[in-house]
Amino acid sequence: DGGITQSPKYLFRKEGQNVTLSCEQNLNHDAMYWYRQDPGQGLRLIYYSQIVNDFQKGDIAEGYSVSREKKESFPLTVTSAQKNPTAFYLCASSISGPPDTQYFGPGTRLTVL
Amino acid sequence: QKEVEQDPGPLSVPEGAIVSLNCTYSNSAFQYFMWYRQYSRKGPELLMYTYSSGNKEDGRFTAQVDKSSKYISLFIRDSQPSDSATYLCAMSSPGDKIIFGKGTRLHILP
Repeated sequence: DGGITQSPKYLFRKEGQNVTLSCEQNLNHDAMYWYRQDPGQGLRLIYYSQIVNDFQKGDIAEGYSVSREKKESFPLTVTSAQKNPTAFYLCASSISGPPDTQYFGPGTRLTVL
Repeated sequence: QKEVEQDPGPLSVPEGAIVSLNCTYSNSAFQYFMWYRQYSRKGPELLMYTYSSGNKEDGRFTAQVDKSSKYISLFIRDSQPSDSATYLCAMSSPGDKIIFGKGTRLHILP
């Protein structure tokens, strides 16, 4: 089945630790995105990548880092510099870059204790 | 004024009723309009996509765009309890990122 997978579904970390969230797609999409969703806040763009080895900051990139070494993979690292990391993180992909329609993964709920 | 405004709800309607969900926007450059459905603790799934004014129908769902009023709607006919979810509108202009509304929570009462 074609789609986007995110792992794990739930993640718990201690404050001060870096953590990496996985996102893989087998849709052969060029572009991939990371969003953060908080209650009442809607979706906020963290980073996006339109091609391999290239990515751009979104609206709330501070405290996050990404890499795009393979077309299929776009991992997100939440660093200790991110002041409020507890949130629901969503990965998405699209055939090409914005404004192409985006398809979302199931999300990862990160809780920092 | 925010670029995209969407009433957060919750909106509660009885099963079988017609549901109307709406968004307003301020950027006249928006040309692409989408509706996503998101179940609790899941990722959003694309329901409808349109890039013109007028209506687009898909089964029980109809998306309506009025560019002159900067207003889009999603209608759900014969609503079912399984339609209970949060509905996100989204829109963009050529070459620019997609802007999402904050979502409307919908409850269909059996």
